[in-house]
Amino acid sequence: GDSVTQMEGPVTLSEEAFLTINCTYTATGYPSLFWYVQYPGEGLQLLLKATKADDKGSNKGFEATYRKETTSFHLEKGSVQVSDSAVYFCALLNTNAGKSTFGDGTTLTVKP
Amino acid sequence: NAGVTQTPKFQVLKTGQSMTLQCAQDMNHEYMSWYRQDPGMGLRLIHYSVGAGITDQGEVPNGYNVSRSTTEDFPLRLLSAAPSQTSVYFCASGGTGRSGANVLTFGAGSRLTVL
Repeated sequence: GDSVTQMEGPVTLSEEAFLTINCTYTATGYPSLFWYVQYPGEGLQLLLKATKADDKGSNKGFEATYRKETTSFHLEKGSVQVSDSAVYFCALLNTNAGKSTFGDGTTLTVKP
Repeated sequence: NAGVTQTPKFQVLKTGQSMTLQCAQDMNHEYMSWYRQDPGMGLRLIHYSVGAGITDQGEVPNGYNVSRSTTEDFPLRLLSAAPSQTSVYFCASGGTGRSGANVLTFGAGSRLTVL
């Protein structure tokens, strides 16, 4: 079945540091890929998405590129802020099955 | 518009009690789903529905029932609560709504404790 593997956390960075959170997936067909973010005490919300190979999703300074050859969708940001502290989830949508599969989440803490 | 509304936000149950977590969406989404979130285990799919009258099991369906009589509502029923069902539950809907096609919109979550 479908699966998503995220780099294990927690990740602690200083403000303005470079962020990478690795995500790889296993799926049949051509899934859509997503990054969701969860702030403390809240539900998940969409951060960015990509629906086909080589697409780049971007939002709020975060970027991720859909790499079919390496089945990856790594999240990057050039300069993190304290307000980016949250849990980040990589996910895929198998459009044939209609279901989304999530990674375990990576907790990011940014210190001033 | 409210998006996805879950109630209650917090609930404490005793082992063996039953209850229903409510979920409603106002975006006319066909797809709705329930996840549970446990520390170190990410989000696990319990049940999902691709339209009114259609439901299917996810990864961890045991101990839970769902029904989808309308497009808007997707309640999750715990038949006989067990301590292993202590978790945070999220309802999510998806479709070609405000967030765009294939994107899930999540409720704020329901924290359930079973004693």
